Amino acid sequence: QVQLQQWGAGLLKPSETLSLTCAVYGGSFSGYYWSWIRQPPGKGLEWIGEINHSGSTNYNPSLKSRVTISVDTSKNQFSLKLSSVTAADTAVYYCARAIAVAGTRHMDVWGKGTTVTVSS
Amino acid sequence: QSVLTQPPSASGTPGQRVTISCSGSSSNIGSNTVNWYQQLPGTAPKLLIYSNNQRPSGVPDRFSGSKSGTSASLAISGLQSEDEADYYCAAWDDSLNGLYVFGTGTKVTVL
Repeated sequence: QVQLQQWGAGLLKPSETLSLTCAVYGGSFSGYYWSWIRQPPGKGLEWIGEINHSGSTNYNPSLKSRVTISVDTSKNQFSLKLSSVTAADTAVYYCARAIAVAGTRHMDVWGKGTTVTVSS
Repeated sequence: QSVLTQPPSASGTPGQRVTISCSGSSSNIGSNTVNWYQQLPGTAPKLLIYSNNQRPSGVPDRFSGSKSGTSASLAISGLQSEDEADYYCAAWDDSLNGLYVFGTGTKVTVL
């Protein structure tokens, strides 16, 4: 049974860089896209971006200038960095495994989420 | 920035059938398959339906999905108290360089 375990700093000041990591346990790392999704308090889900095992990335255009997603295949881990954070980046951040079929995606395994708060 | 539109709320009594709509455009639902996620309070989303109408293992057959043109629907038949949750549709969008878009979300209340 594949499990995703995520961690990272939960409290940031404005202008700092958010950094989260997600480890994949119990399954293959190749053959999937590894995604980050966030959910502001009381709001809906927003896709941040994804990476595959070879390092190919896709980002949400609205965040692309501030986002970097990277992968460490030796550790079965992938990471998210979001620079120059503001209060608007306060959210629960989820990592997820995405299955790509004929160009589309669906996320079948999710991490438990990490609450990130941006406050001065 | 949700580009898939859902009603904010839906409700029903136990045993009833509830339907949730999801409206998109030619670049997302019109071109790609639709997925549905269930989010129980305080938990991570869970994949409920993928590829328009496929249920992952373990999802009860009370949940069904359909798609027509640029819209999709999720139906819950035989509504149960444990179905009270937020539901999100989602699809790949072919605009720009491609991105995954979620619906605005629908809160289902069991009366």
